[in-house]
Amino acid sequence: GENVEQHPSTLSVQEGDSAVIKCTYSDSASNYFPWYKQELGKRPQLIIDIRSNVGEKKDQRIAVTLNKTAKHFSLHITETQPEDSAVYFCAASTGSARQLTFGSGTQLTVLP
Amino acid sequence: NAGVTQTPKFQVLKTGQSMTLQCAQDMNHNSMYWYRQDPGMGLRLIYYSASEGTTDKGEVPNGYNVSRLNKREFSLRLESAAPSQTSVYFCASKEFYGYTFGSGTRLTVV
Repeated sequence: GENVEQHPSTLSVQEGDSAVIKCTYSDSASNYFPWYKQELGKRPQLIIDIRSNVGEKKDQRIAVTLNKTAKHFSLHITETQPEDSAVYFCAASTGSARQLTFGSGTQLTVLP
Repeated sequence: NAGVTQTPKFQVLKTGQSMTLQCAQDMNHNSMYWYRQDPGMGLRLIYYSASEGTTDKGEVPNGYNVSRLNKREFSLRLESAAPSQTSVYFCASKEFYGYTFGSGTRLTVV
């Protein structure tokens, strides 16, 4: 089955700096790569996603890049703000029901 | 439009007790999923249902059973709860790509 590894597990940045979270996946058949943000005690919320026919996608301060050859994808957050503090999960989709396999999460802390 | 609704939100069970976690979606999605979330381990797939009438095992199915009652509802049953099943359980549904998650059930087995 699919295996998704996520790094780092914790990340602290100063407000206004950029944050980068990286994931690798094992199944070359995976074709959909979403990123979720989870605030404490809340449900995961989709923040951005990318499909395998696209190399990069941006949405305001958030961007995701995908390298299918190397089987890795990354989340980039620019001009970080305290409200960006949360746990971020990457995931890869494969299989008949396009079930998601999640990374282990990154606790992002934005220091004021 | 409620999205994905899970009940109950909190539950404490004694070892050996049984219970059913309920999940219902009102978005007419075909696929539904049950995940468990444990500290430092992300979300792990327990069971999924690609469409009404079908269910399949995920990564961690042992100790659980599921029922896709109809297109809207997908329940998760613990027949004999164990402390290792203490976790937060999330139900999710999707039509094409992005999941919509329920608010979760925090289960403690003592």
